[in-house]
Amino acid sequence: GESVGLHLPTLSVQEGDNSIINCAYSNSASDYFIWYKQESGKGPQFIIDIRSNMDKRQGQRVTVLLNKTVKHLSLQIAATQPGDSAVYFCAENMAGGTSYGKLTFGQGTILTVHP
Amino acid sequence: EAQVTQNPRYLITVTGKKLTVTCSQNMNHEYMSWYRQDPGLGLRQIYYSMNVEVTDKGDVPEGYKVSRKEKRNFPLILESPSPNQTSLYFCASRRQEGARAFFGQGTRLTVV
Repeated sequence: GESVGLHLPTLSVQEGDNSIINCAYSNSASDYFIWYKQESGKGPQFIIDIRSNMDKRQGQRVTVLLNKTVKHLSLQIAATQPGDSAVYFCAENMAGGTSYGKLTFGQGTILTVHP
Repeated sequence: EAQVTQNPRYLITVTGKKLTVTCSQNMNHEYMSWYRQDPGLGLRQIYYSMNVEVTDKGDVPEGYKVSRKEKRNFPLILESPSPNQTSLYFCASRRQEGARAFFGQGTRLTVV
């Protein structure tokens, strides 16, 4: 029979608005976090990263915020454009122990930008 | 151009027929990984390799094999594919020191 997966979180915004995509990570020992963008039919593309000794990092139109107290990561996209429509994944890099160097991904969030 | 190349991009096969998906990177990266992506489940790691001849299981290794005989290549082998291995597969590589991963374009595998 048909398998039914979990429904991804979705975010719909108007062109020009700011977008905020959230992610909860699982391992307090993770030392590095990355946001990826995946467009239909393509592999994930790097957007921005942040180390665990930082709480904010800015790129071009994007900002990543890290709250280690509650193990929360967010991606802010300023002046969202239709070309930003994609699935966004957060990933955490496990540090130490047998999981050293392992990247673990979240389920993803679908961002849809309406003109 | 720095890239990760997977082949084939699309593959339809029958249950039990051994297949190999190739992955090659030209960035001299130590780390390479295989992921499968299924609707609503994100990217799940199958196997990863920290260097030549060093491989380890990821989260969903059952039914898969890998080898890392050369730094640039990391093939994924399905000895006896089953329909539950129908999925979208991605290979990725990254430097040992950093953690930013570069992904291939994906291989869509259908096992009937």
